[in-house]
Amino acid sequence: DGGITQSPKYLFRKEGQNVTLSCEQNLNHDAMYWYRQDPGQGLRLIYYSQIVNDFQKGDIAEGYSVSREKKESFPLTVTSAQKNPTAFYLCASRRGVQGATNEKLFFGSGTQLSVL
Amino acid sequence: QQQVKQSPQSLIVQKGGISIINCAYENTAFDYFPWYQQFPGKGPALLIAIRPDVSEKKEGRFTISFNKSAKQFSLHIMDSQPGDSATYFCAASRNSGYALNFGKGTSLLVTP
Repeated sequence: DGGITQSPKYLFRKEGQNVTLSCEQNLNHDAMYWYRQDPGQGLRLIYYSQIVNDFQKGDIAEGYSVSREKKESFPLTVTSAQKNPTAFYLCASRRGVQGATNEKLFFGSGTQLSVL
Repeated sequence: QQQVKQSPQSLIVQKGGISIINCAYENTAFDYFPWYQQFPGKGPALLIAIRPDVSEKKEGRFTISFNKSAKQFSLHIMDSQPGDSATYFCAASRNSGYALNFGKGTSLLVTP
C-alpha cells in the first residue's frame, strides 16, 4: 500500500525541547516538502528537498531543521528556537524534479504538534 | 506575503446548489494552478488542476475557470453534496518543479 506515512499523529513539546516529526514515503518520489497549517492561514512552506542530500528553505524556515539522507525519508525537527510551534504539520512528496511533467503533490495525514 | 489570495474564507451552500471559490495571483510566471480538497484530520488531496493555455477544465461536477488577463481562477462545484463539505485550497506554482504557493483556504459546508 503506497503512500506517505507521518508519525506520530499527535505530539507534545515542552518548553526548550526539540522534537522530530517523521515522514516516510514509499512512492519512490524525488521531491519532498514540509508545510505548516494554522487555522485560517492556509499551508505555508517550511522546507523542501528536490533530491537526496539537498534541501532548501521555504517561507517560514526559522526555528526548523531538516535532513534528507535517504530518498524515502525527510524528518523535520522543531527546535526550541521556534517560539510558536503549535500547528498541524503536513509532509508531501512529488515524483519529478524541476521541469518534470508529473506535478501531483501527495500529502501525508499530518502531525498535530502542541506545546505543554 | 501571500502570493495567492483566496475568497471567501467560508461558504455555506444548500444541497444541489453551486459552490464558487475564487483565487487571484500576482506572479505572471505562475503556470500551474491546482485545487486541493482537505477533510478534517487528513492531508489535502489533489482535486483538479489547470494550466494557463486553457480557460476552463471540467472533471465531473468540478470545473476550474481561468482568466489569464485578470490573473484569477475559480473552482465551481455543481450540484453540491453534503460529502463535498471540506476545506478547499487553491494553489499556484512557477514551472511544475517549484513548490506550490497555497491560498488560505475556504471552508465549505453543504447543508442537506
